[in-house]
Amino acid sequence: QVQLQESGPGLVKPSETLSLTCTVSGGSISNYYWSWIRQLPGKGLEWIGYIYYSGSTNYNPSLKSRVTISVDTSKNQFSLKLSSVTAADTAVYYCAREKWELLPFFDYWGQGALVTVSS
Amino acid sequence: DIVMTQSPDSLAVSLGERATINCKSSQSVLHSSNNKNYFAWYQQKPGQPPNLLIYWASTRESGVPDRFSGSGSGTDFTLTISSLQAEDVAVYYCQQYYSTPPTFGQGTKLEIK
Repeated sequence: QVQLQESGPGLVKPSETLSLTCTVSGGSISNYYWSWIRQLPGKGLEWIGYIYYSGSTNYNPSLKSRVTISVDTSKNQFSLKLSSVTAADTAVYYCAREKWELLPFFDYWGQGALVTVSS
Repeated sequence: DIVMTQSPDSLAVSLGERATINCKSSQSVLHSSNNKNYFAWYQQKPGQPPNLLIYWASTRESGVPDRFSGSGSGTDFTLTISSLQAEDVAVYYCQQYYSTPPTFGQGTKLEIK
C-alpha cells in the first residue's frame, strides 16, 4: 500500500519561502507523476504542479513564477518550494500521486500539512 | 483554465434515499481521440484528504461501493449515491483533467436530513 507523508515547517513568515517534502513509502517513486495540491481555508482545491521521477515538471501558471518542485529518487521523496509567500498562501498542502502517466487525477494522497503564513 | 461549477453547494438527504450532485465544466472535457471524458469525483471527510471515487466520469475506483455512480458527458456530469449511508457524509468535489491546470469544483457538502 503506497503511503505519502508531508513534512516541513507549519509556520512561515511573509515574503519567505515555504518548503515541504513528501516521502513516499510502500512503493517506488519511479514511473509515476507526483503532484502538490493545496486547499485554501474553507475553500476548494488548487493544483500547484507535478514532477516526474525523471525530474520533468509542470506548474500551474498562476503560481509558476514562485514554485519549484524537485525530486530525490534515492530518498523516494519530492519537494515543494513556494517563494515570496503571503497570507493568501495559508493552506493545507497535499502531495498526491497521479494514477496514470500524464493523467492528473489522483489515487493516493498524503494526510496534508497545514502551513500558516504569519509574522 | 476550465472552471468547474458544482450544484448544489450543500445537500441534506435522508438515510437510504438517493443523493445527486451535479457538476458543470466551462468547456467540454470529452476527448475526441478516445471518446473519454477527462473527469473525476472525490469524497473528502473532515480531517482527511480527498479520496478518489470515480474517473473517466463513470469508472469506479477499486474499493468504492457500488452505490456510488457517475454519469454525464461533455460539460454536464452527475454523481449519484443510490442509498445514502451515514458514512457518506462528506464534501464531494469534481475535477477535470482534460487540460492543464487540472481544476476542481468548489465542493458540495452532503449531510443527513
